Amino acid sequence: RKEVEQDPGPFNVPEGATVAFNCTYSNSASQSFFWYRQDCRKEPKLLMSVYSSGNEDGRFTAQLNRASQYISLLIRDSKLSDSATYLCVVLTGNQFYFGTGTSLTVIP
Amino acid sequence: DTGVSQNPRHKITKRGQNVTFRCDPISEHNRLYWYRQTLGQGPEFLTYFQNEAQLEKSRLLSDRFSAERPKGSFSTLEIQRTEQGDSAMYLCASGGDVGNTIYFGEGSWLTVV
Repeated sequence: RKEVEQDPGPFNVPEGATVAFNCTYSNSASQSFFWYRQDCRKEPKLLMSVYSSGNEDGRFTAQLNRASQYISLLIRDSKLSDSATYLCVVLTGNQFYFGTGTSLTVIP
Repeated sequence: DTGVSQNPRHKITKRGQNVTFRCDPISEHNRLYWYRQTLGQGPEFLTYFQNEAQLEKSRLLSDRFSAERPKGSFSTLEIQRTEQGDSAMYLCASGGDVGNTIYFGEGSWLTVV
């Protein structure tokens, strides 16, 4: 079983839409959680950390449900510049495990 | 600019040749990771250093792959006798305290022909 699983999409949404991505992880001992953004042929860049209490950064909201081993990312009022691949990342011990990523295209 | 530097950025090599990639992490970071990424996949863990000690290696890292971080600063990843299946982007990332996030370099693209 993969450490981190994500729906690869693609998600094609109009500008201004709200879109949600989900991710599950397999190891209940995992200690930290993140969302990274990756543009085509570029390196992954940290979008935000994810906390059990939920956290928000502008139009982005991340949630963690430890009981269900589930992580989510909500993007409100989508912009064209949000088009990218979103990677769910889980830290277990010393290792960061990456999902395959969810592709988002925001359409004018 | 995250401060992690990788070179070369692109490398085209013939099958069977050796290649070496270098990573210069953010200066105060003691953790350093190497990942490999192919199209449509997330980064796959290769190896992890804490300071100069190589603490973990993936089973993906065959005996043709070797990584070093001799002084706990920069790191090299060498691939010997390259195969076409080695074609990928090789990413280096560094981090500070355990549990904190990691920051990636721009990656080194390898094409084996």
